[in-house]
Amino acid sequence: NAGVTQTPKFQVLKTGQSMTLQCAQDMNHEYMSWYRQDPGMGLRLIHYSVGAGITDQGEVPNGYNVSRSTTEDFPLRLLSAAPSQTSVYFCASSSEGAGETQYFGPGTRLLVL
Amino acid sequence: KNEVEQSPQNLTAQEGEFITINCSYSVGISALHWLQQHPGGGIVSLFMLSSGKKKHGRLIATINIQEKHSSLHITASHPRDSAVYICAALTQGGSEKLVFGKGTKLTVNP
Repeated sequence: NAGVTQTPKFQVLKTGQSMTLQCAQDMNHEYMSWYRQDPGMGLRLIHYSVGAGITDQGEVPNGYNVSRSTTEDFPLRLLSAAPSQTSVYFCASSSEGAGETQYFGPGTRLLVL
Repeated sequence: KNEVEQSPQNLTAQEGEFITINCSYSVGISALHWLQQHPGGGIVSLFMLSSGKKKHGRLIATINIQEKHSSLHITASHPRDSAVYICAALTQGGSEKLVFGKGTKLTVNP
């Protein structure tokens, strides 16, 4: 099993550009989530999904969209990138929910100029 | 004020020392996670607990739900334990959202 994979590993964007951060898991997990990690802030939840077709907002959802058309994939879309979205993004999954063991992807480092 | 607070922020120890990292939270929770973030950035789950105590190798995690407090202990610390340790709480009420502490950076010197 590959576990949780994220692409790309690193990306540079210009302000206003759009992009999609990919997240996939091969463990048949129902719960998937996206976090951003900023210095001194800890991890913060952006969006999460409890199953295909179901998504909900986390603590910092503004500027980000998600969809969950399959169990395996949970892409995060930045519609119009801003410098404030410069961060490290982590995707995580678990079998059923946030009360289960979480499996994290390796992260995507995003720089918005 | 963050709902989940960790202490200390930074901790330096000598190899072999007993380490304690604390996590306190201000709201009712149904579960608490302890995570380890390696210097390279990867995050792995160490424990998930909702009561009592769990042990894995040299790591021990305890939680007191009534006192809203959890601790992570490392016995016989080793330089390879150097990492950031993060606690995350799942609040009560059916939420599927984790709230994270800011992490404790542990450095174990040989």
